[in-house]
Amino acid sequence: GAVVSQHPSRVICKSGTSVKIECRSLDFQATTMFWYRQFPKKSLMLMATSNEGSKATYEQGVEKDKFLINHASLTLSTLTVTSAHPEDSSFYICSAGGISGNTIYFGEGSWLTVV
Amino acid sequence: GENVEQHPSTLSVQEGDSAVIKCTYSDSASNYFPWYKQELGKGPQLIIDIRSNVGEKKDQRIAVTLNKTAKHFSLHITETQPEDSAVYFCAASRPGGSYIPTFGRGTSLIVHP
Repeated sequence: GAVVSQHPSRVICKSGTSVKIECRSLDFQATTMFWYRQFPKKSLMLMATSNEGSKATYEQGVEKDKFLINHASLTLSTLTVTSAHPEDSSFYICSAGGISGNTIYFGEGSWLTVV
Repeated sequence: GENVEQHPSTLSVQEGDSAVIKCTYSDSASNYFPWYKQELGKGPQLIIDIRSNVGEKKDQRIAVTLNKTAKHFSLHITETQPEDSAVYFCAASRPGGSYIPTFGRGTSLIVHP
């Protein structure tokens, strides 16, 4: 299957700082990328959908000024958590689609810990 | 919008037994139904998918069945092995450019050796 790479896999940052997570589609052009947040033993919570070259569409309740999403190319999307707080600590996962029909592939996820 | 229900939330089986996870969906326009396996601390991996023009698809020990009339689809794992232990998610999505999939809440499968 297609490969989606996410970096970093783990990051620890201080409260009040910003952290950026990258999501890359390695062997296909991703017309659409999705960002999810997952709490322990919980399902995937969609945060936003981004299409290359346009603004991301955020789900209800997700602060767009806090979770900045950029999809500047067909192979790269970034999620920046601004002014991070301990409650932002979570597992963030990206996924990408664009190969065939509506199949999407997930990255490996990024563990964010805010101390 | 679409609503996907997944059952059971937890499934415990003995090694070698079969496991079945069921999902129902509400949007009759949905035409694509993937299944993902998520191991602890990792991102979900696509393991099998089915489109609405077929009723069953099989890949070695895993199979998926789809009943469009009843709006439900199921994942079947035969001869389960301890490495099958993971959380499994079903999803449903519509055709078209905006194909945001709707996920079920997940099933934690535990295969006891």
